[in-house]
Amino acid sequence: GAVVSQHPSRVICKSGTSVKIECRSLDFQATTMFWYRQFPKKSLMLMATSNEGSKATYEQGVEKDKFLINHASLTLSTLTVTSAHPEDSSFYICSARDGTGHHEQFFGPGTRLTVL
Amino acid sequence: QQQVKQSPQSLIVQKGGISIINCAYENTAFDYFPWYQQFPGKGPALLIAIRPDVSEKKEGRFTISFNKSAKQFSLHIMDSQPGDSATYFCAAKAQGGKLIFGQGTELSVKP
Repeated sequence: GAVVSQHPSRVICKSGTSVKIECRSLDFQATTMFWYRQFPKKSLMLMATSNEGSKATYEQGVEKDKFLINHASLTLSTLTVTSAHPEDSSFYICSARDGTGHHEQFFGPGTRLTVL
Repeated sequence: QQQVKQSPQSLIVQKGGISIINCAYENTAFDYFPWYQQFPGKGPALLIAIRPDVSEKKEGRFTISFNKSAKQFSLHIMDSQPGDSATYFCAAKAQGGKLIFGQGTELSVKP
């Protein structure tokens, strides 16, 4: 199956700093990428949907100025957590879908963010 | 309308037994129903998926049963193994391609 990578796999940062997480589709062109957040022992919560070359669509309650999403190419999307605080500590997962009309989303391995 | 309800929250099964996880939805516009397996600290991995025009799909030890009139679908894991111990999520694909996830089921298969 198609492969999606994320970098870094884990990051620890100080409160007030910004952190960038990369999501790459390695062997296909991802016209749409999704960003999820997952708390321990909880389900995946969709944060935003991004289509290549256009602005991301954020889910209700997700601060777009806090979580900046860029999908500048067909293989790369980035999530930047700006001015991170301890409550932003979470597991962030991206997924990608190609433009062939298939339903399937391919998930990355996730990034564990810890804000001190 | 956009919710997918999953049960049970946790499940303990003996090795060789059948694990059954159930999901229910309300929105009849959902058009794709995947099941994901997630190990701790990892991203979810697609196990098996079904479209609403099919009542059953089997892949190896994994079977999805789909009841369109009842708006319910379930995952059956036959001959459950300790390596199947993980968290399982059902999902439904909504408009725009986004997935709505169930709450998750933590499966433990005892040797």
